[in-house]
Amino acid sequence: DVKVTQSSRYLVKRTGEKVFLECVQDMDHENMFWYRQDPGLGLRLIYFSYDVKMKEKGDIPEGYSVSREKKERFSLILESASTNQTSMYLCASSFPQAGALPLFGPGTRLTVT
Amino acid sequence: QKEVEQDPGPLSVPEGAIVSLNCTYSNSAFQYFMWYRQYSRKGPELLMYTYSSGNKEDGRFTAQVDKSSKYISLFIRDSQPSDSATYLCAMSQGGTSYDKVIFGPGTSLSVIP
Repeated sequence: DVKVTQSSRYLVKRTGEKVFLECVQDMDHENMFWYRQDPGLGLRLIYFSYDVKMKEKGDIPEGYSVSREKKERFSLILESASTNQTSMYLCASSFPQAGALPLFGPGTRLTVT
Repeated sequence: QKEVEQDPGPLSVPEGAIVSLNCTYSNSAFQYFMWYRQYSRKGPELLMYTYSSGNKEDGRFTAQVDKSSKYISLFIRDSQPSDSATYLCAMSQGGTSYDKVIFGPGTSLSVIP
């Protein structure tokens, strides 16, 4: 059963902490994505990666960075967490082709207090 | 104007009803159209996808694309309480190495027993 897994389902952190969210996929996908999902705003792309050690900014990269050292693993880093980063974070992966269908992980609900 | 618009609902129907979920979009270059289902506190799961115009049926679900009107629909026949979820439409142009997928904000559906 192929899948995308995320390291935590729920996470509570304090303002100013450094936060790591990890995502692993077992489908040999080249593309990996990090989104955040907020009520009324839908899914917003933070960063994506189309190859190992490659990354591109999405629509809302401010306050975030990413790391992709291995093909199957894509990490999202909040250098200094703030309360406005409280959100649902979703990782997805896909093949690098037209019409590739992103497959999502279960999500991490992050609360920053 | 947002690229993809979707009535957020909530939509409440009795069990057994036919449900129609819709999205409109502004970018005529979109070629791939997807529907995701997202249960509460879970990641989105791919439900159906179509290429270009036309209909596609899968069990109780039918996806319909009208490119001339820039309008897509998902029909659910004989709706069940287990269909209660948020439904996200998504679409992309069909690029090469990275095909950016644009998501609608989602429609919340409740099927009442």
